[in-house]
Amino acid sequence: GAVVSQHPSRVICKSGTSVKIECRSLDFQATTMFWYRQFPKKSLMLMATSNEGSKATYEQGVEKDKFLINHASLTLSTLTVTSAHPEDSSFYICSASVIVLADTQYFGPGTRLTVL
Amino acid sequence: RKEVEQDPGPFNVPEGATVAFNCTYSNSASQSFFWYRQDCRKEPKLLMSVYSSGNEDGRFTAQLNRASQYISLLIRDSKLSDSATYLCVVITRSNDYKLSFGAGTTVTVRA
Repeated sequence: GAVVSQHPSRVICKSGTSVKIECRSLDFQATTMFWYRQFPKKSLMLMATSNEGSKATYEQGVEKDKFLINHASLTLSTLTVTSAHPEDSSFYICSASVIVLADTQYFGPGTRLTVL
Repeated sequence: RKEVEQDPGPFNVPEGATVAFNCTYSNSASQSFFWYRQDCRKEPKLLMSVYSSGNEDGRFTAQLNRASQYISLLIRDSKLSDSATYLCVVITRSNDYKLSFGAGTTVTVRA
């Protein structure tokens, strides 16, 4: 299957700092990527749809100024958690499909964020 | 009502047993359905797509019941390595493209 990478895999930061998470499609171009967060023993929650060359589409209840998404190229989307707080601690995962809005999603390995 | 609902389990079964569980979806216009497997602290991995006619992949069988709006997954001859959380994913294209996840069904296979 297609390969999606994420970096970093784990990050610990102080409250008030900003953290950038990268999501890359390694062997295909992804005009659309999705960002999720997952709390322990809970389902994935879709945060936003990242569109290459245009603004991201955020799900209801997700603060766009808090979670900045940039999709600058066909293989890279970034999620920046700004002014992180302990409640932002979570597992963040991205996904992409090989064909635009094709149904099969390939997930990155996830980034575990801990805000102290 | 949630868009996608799953029995959270856990389903605790002995090796070799058969285990089956469902996932219901609320939007009758939903078009594509998948089962993903997620291990603890890992990303979801595609297990199988669910086709209208039902499909089988080794010990795994997936079914779609559009009339009752649910999909099912059956695991035969359970292995210890089948222990995981199984997520159903439903895709709906109406005015926009929407990916919906179930909360997952936890399966534990014991020796």
